[in-house]
Amino acid sequence: EDKVVQSPLSLVVHEGDTVTLNCSYEVTNFRSLLWYKQEKKAPTFLFMLTSSGIEKKSGRLSSILDKKELFSILNITATQTGDSAVYLCAVEIANSGYALNFGKGTSLLVTP
Amino acid sequence: EAEVAQSPRYKITEKSQAVAFWCDPISGHATLYWYRQILGQGPELLVQFQDESVVDDSQLPKDRFSAERLKGVDSTLKIQPAELGDSAMYLCASSLRDREYEQFFGPGTRLTVL
Repeated sequence: EDKVVQSPLSLVVHEGDTVTLNCSYEVTNFRSLLWYKQEKKAPTFLFMLTSSGIEKKSGRLSSILDKKELFSILNITATQTGDSAVYLCAVEIANSGYALNFGKGTSLLVTP
Repeated sequence: EAEVAQSPRYKITEKSQAVAFWCDPISGHATLYWYRQILGQGPELLVQFQDESVVDDSQLPKDRFSAERLKGVDSTLKIQPAELGDSAMYLCASSLRDREYEQFFGPGTRLTVL
């Protein structure tokens, strides 16, 4: 059975801190790993990772994939209260429809 | 900016009743997905369409759930009869053909079954 496991499930930090969110997976027919940010609405796309060791970066957010150890991390530096959200990791599986398997998410709260 | 539209935004129903949700994807998006998100969990794929055809409905409880996308544009998800455990957020998403990784999500329909 395909599994996507995120840790920690929740996290509280102070503004300015750096956080690292983890996502490990066990799937057949891996195609890509994706990170989404979900505030009180639908998820929004952050990154797609397909190759090991290549960092994707967008502002204060960055992510990297390790296909040998089957995990990815999402880093957020100099956190702001607007970063408070649930961060979802999803693995795209290359079956007939390239479905996304989501983890349960990490709930991040950034306090002033 | 183009968005995925869903209605209703909220639905409260009693168990054993029928409910229906509607989704209008971004124009030109061939692929449409219905997800169910239970509070505290990630979205779970229920059904995926490519144009009007079902690509994956392996996780759809077919005894009570049905989905259609007759003209390959908008889609309807139905539950009949609703059960207490169906209370969740139902999210619709769409993507361009061959860009399934970049799914655009609608605002969702929050279903409460009493």
